[in-house]
Amino acid sequence: GAGVSQSPSNKVTEKGKDVELRCDPISGHTALYWYRQSLGQGLEFLIYFQGNSAPDKSGLPSDRFSAERTGGSVSTLTIQRTQQEDSAVYLCASSALGNSPLHFGNGTRLTVT
Amino acid sequence: DAKTTQPTSMDCAEGRAANLPCNHSTISGNEYVYWYRQIHSQGPQYIIHGLKNNETNEMASLIITEDRKSSTLILPHATLRDTAVYYCIVSRGGDSSYKLIFGSGTRLLVRP
Repeated sequence: GAGVSQSPSNKVTEKGKDVELRCDPISGHTALYWYRQSLGQGLEFLIYFQGNSAPDKSGLPSDRFSAERTGGSVSTLTIQRTQQEDSAVYLCASSALGNSPLHFGNGTRLTVT
Repeated sequence: DAKTTQPTSMDCAEGRAANLPCNHSTISGNEYVYWYRQIHSQGPQYIIHGLKNNETNEMASLIITEDRKSSTLILPHATLRDTAVYYCIVSRGGDSSYKLIFGSGTRLLVRP
């Protein structure tokens, strides 16, 4: 069965460029999360979507970061004017209900040069 | 959300039980205990969760103390593939503010 799919798996970009990262959650999952993980570090919460409710954006580190979820399914995380400190693995997860287990994708490794 | 404390690293011999402790002394009555693990270069994988009672599934057992201030994840027969970082997380569930906050976890090394 299909799990959470993220694309691209790797992205190298120049400082100052915009990037878009895509997440395809498991079909039927109403909750979707974005995290990022810097090298050797734990996971940092970024944003959470639950159904039609307003997203919880409390973890976004700056206004250069934004995310949307279209049609309650696919989500895109956009980073504008990328900086070297944005280099990390960006992980997406989805879950069926509020306290159901999260299913993670394998992430997008972003490198800003 | 309540915070958790885990040892930075542990090791165990292949085939033996791995017992990973977690302290969550400020846990609230409506907060669950979740365990995830992350194998190198992969996204985290759900293992098990519980509220008050001990839980067991095909991967592991979760033992929660009666006062709920600590818990132990047990991998009954550790294999080399169980080498990973194990995260203990406490969080509410079932409402719109639900989210998991990951700490630093325990790095488990299973030795041949």
